[in-house]
Amino acid sequence: IQMTQSPSSLSASVGDRISITCRASQGIGTDLNWYQQKPGRAPTVLIYGAFTLQSGVPSRFTGGGSGTDFTLTISNLQPEDFATYYCQQSHSFPRTFGQGTKVEIK
Amino acid sequence: EVQVVESGGDLVRPGRSLRLSCRGSGFTFGDAGLSWVRQSPGKGLEWVGSISSKVYGETKEYAASVEGRFFLSRDDSQGIAYLQMSSLKTEDSAVYYCTREVILSRYLGSGNYYNANWLDPWGQGTLVTVSA
Repeated sequence: IQMTQSPSSLSASVGDRISITCRASQGIGTDLNWYQQKPGRAPTVLIYGAFTLQSGVPSRFTGGGSGTDFTLTISNLQPEDFATYYCQQSHSFPRTFGQGTKVEIK
Repeated sequence: EVQVVESGGDLVRPGRSLRLSCRGSGFTFGDAGLSWVRQSPGKGLEWVGSISSKVYGETKEYAASVEGRFFLSRDDSQGIAYLQMSSLKTEDSAVYYCTREVILSRYLGSGNYYNANWLDPWGQGTLVTVSA
């Protein structure tokens, strides 16, 4: 299953609302996870099962979608949110990740 | 604290072998599936393989890019998982992360379930460099 994220990068300001999309090449139900990775650090899970917020993750992160189209939205962007975001399907093997979306400060 | 810690990364020549280890703590290791994900410098995340728990048959799955060269195993008595890598290529150079697979199945009623499977936590990664 191919996972395609868009955009590959974006520039935004603190306080902005941004959305990242992830499209699967075939239907995956809600078997979609979102991860955040900061430079030099390991990824951490933000959202699993398409829309469930991982414990400890701020509520400004929301996930949605099902089937082939998914969205990660960050409301009120904070300085610590500037990072790279990846989607990943857990519907079938081989597991696959999107190519990543780098969120930079405008 | 639930955590996994990788070790074993090194500089190796093409064609040689290397074994990575992943030690888990803070959770029942034998009940968990484990995955390896790698990241080449400046690139994205690439899933390498997964090994399920004994309850799920200790099933192993591999990415096509490593099938036949990499082998997953686990020693639940020691709380360690291994990634044995052989016939290494320069394109195998990457930071290798070990991560636990979390599985959730929630009954919603009327015969419907909400299922989820995600990777958490991730180790700090171990660097493998394949170069002559």
